[in-house]
Amino acid sequence: KAGVTQTPRYLIKTRGQQVTLSCSPISGHRSVSWYQQTPGQGLQFLFEYFSETQRNKGNFPGRFSGRQFSNSRSEMNVSTLELGDSALYLCASSFSGFTEAFFGQGTRLTVV
Amino acid sequence: EDQVTQSPEALRLQEGESSSLNCSYTVSGLRGLFWYRQDPGKGPEFLFTLYSAGEEKEKERLKATLTKKESFLHITAPKPEDSATYLCAVQADTGRRALTFGSGTRLQVQP
Repeated sequence: KAGVTQTPRYLIKTRGQQVTLSCSPISGHRSVSWYQQTPGQGLQFLFEYFSETQRNKGNFPGRFSGRQFSNSRSEMNVSTLELGDSALYLCASSFSGFTEAFFGQGTRLTVV
Repeated sequence: EDQVTQSPEALRLQEGESSSLNCSYTVSGLRGLFWYRQDPGKGPEFLFTLYSAGEEKEKERLKATLTKKESFLHITAPKPEDSATYLCAVQADTGRRALTFGSGTRLQVQP
């Protein structure tokens, strides 16, 4: 069965712009989580959605937001981009949020 | 606050030289401990889930074990294709679904 699909794979944005990343989970999975991965901080939890509701949120500023659609696809938005937002953004799909999570290939965001 | 510490940070092995990676964790109550493998530029690939102390899981040359304070990933007779970063993560039983990750162990297996 198809895995987790993230688009786009690469993005280059300028400081102050905003960006939207997309994630299509594994068919039948209703939980989608987002993580930021950087060399200095490792993998850090951003937020988790289940049935279109945000259930958990990590310690990130309000510039980071997300949503989930009725087909479980999810989007993540970052507004007013800063240089420090450059990272690999990973989406993870899980059946319930309490079972193993499967990751997509990530979106590499570079802010210049 | 949940914490995960992995050691060593980096490990270089010769092909066929078995070794173990360590994952120490602090969590209020453990719902599950997860092992992932990550290749450069790619997302983490799921390997194992462990739920209770004493549990063991195996897959090819990998075996994961769990105690109340740590987990080990044993690699038997590794091959160059086992080279990757191995990540450990915990999920607490607080109802919070977030995974807390360690910083990983970079494994290099030389032929």
